[in-house]
Amino acid sequence: EVQLVESGGGLVQPGGSLRLSCAASGFTFSSYSMNWVRQAPGKGLEWVSYISSSSSTIYYADSVKGRFTISRDNAKNSLYLQMNSLRVEDTAVYYCAKSGYVATFDYWGQGTLVTVSS
Amino acid sequence: QSALTQPASVSGSPGQSITISCTGTSSDVGGYNYVSWYQQHPGKAPKLMIYDVSNRPSGVSNRFSGSKSGNTASLTISGLQAEDEADYYCSSYTSSSTFCVFGTGTKVTVL
Repeated sequence: EVQLVESGGGLVQPGGSLRLSCAASGFTFSSYSMNWVRQAPGKGLEWVSYISSSSSTIYYADSVKGRFTISRDNAKNSLYLQMNSLRVEDTAVYYCAKSGYVATFDYWGQGTLVTVSS
Repeated sequence: QSALTQPASVSGSPGQSITISCTGTSSDVGGYNYVSWYQQHPGKAPKLMIYDVSNRPSGVSNRFSGSKSGNTASLTISGLQAEDEADYYCSSYTSSSTFCVFGTGTKVTVL
């Protein structure tokens, strides 16, 4: 059974940093691309970042480019999102999502809440 | 990269069919057959319902079907059931630097 478990969310002040983690199990993690998708309270889904299986290809949404860094450790079956210079508008539930097909997310974690507030 | 455009809400009675549209541009929906649809119940993670415009993952009811014409993709739910009441989002690959874009979301209400 595919399982994705996010952690690392919490309350942080504007301008601060946070590192999210996603522990994967139930599939060959090193063979699949992974993503982060977020959802602000009461709002829609927003794709945040993509990383290929070997980390050779990485994409970011314009809204986080230059502030967020996606990475992965295939030996630890883990995905990460380093978030710097956080803004109030980054407040959201952040989901880790496995890529199945092109630009498709076939499995999702339960999400971790990031709140940016003073 | 702007979000794909979906109607804010769609409703129907049990047993009826409803269709949700998802309008983009030639750089995303119209240019590639990489449109997906997701169902999200309140407080839950999204669930993949359709991928590559019209393919259903294993375990998804055949009451859900997808199609595309030009820059607009559509999700049809036939034989509407109470459990189908949820938010639905489309997404598409995009040739812009951002790789993927979601729709604005549609709330489906079963009357």
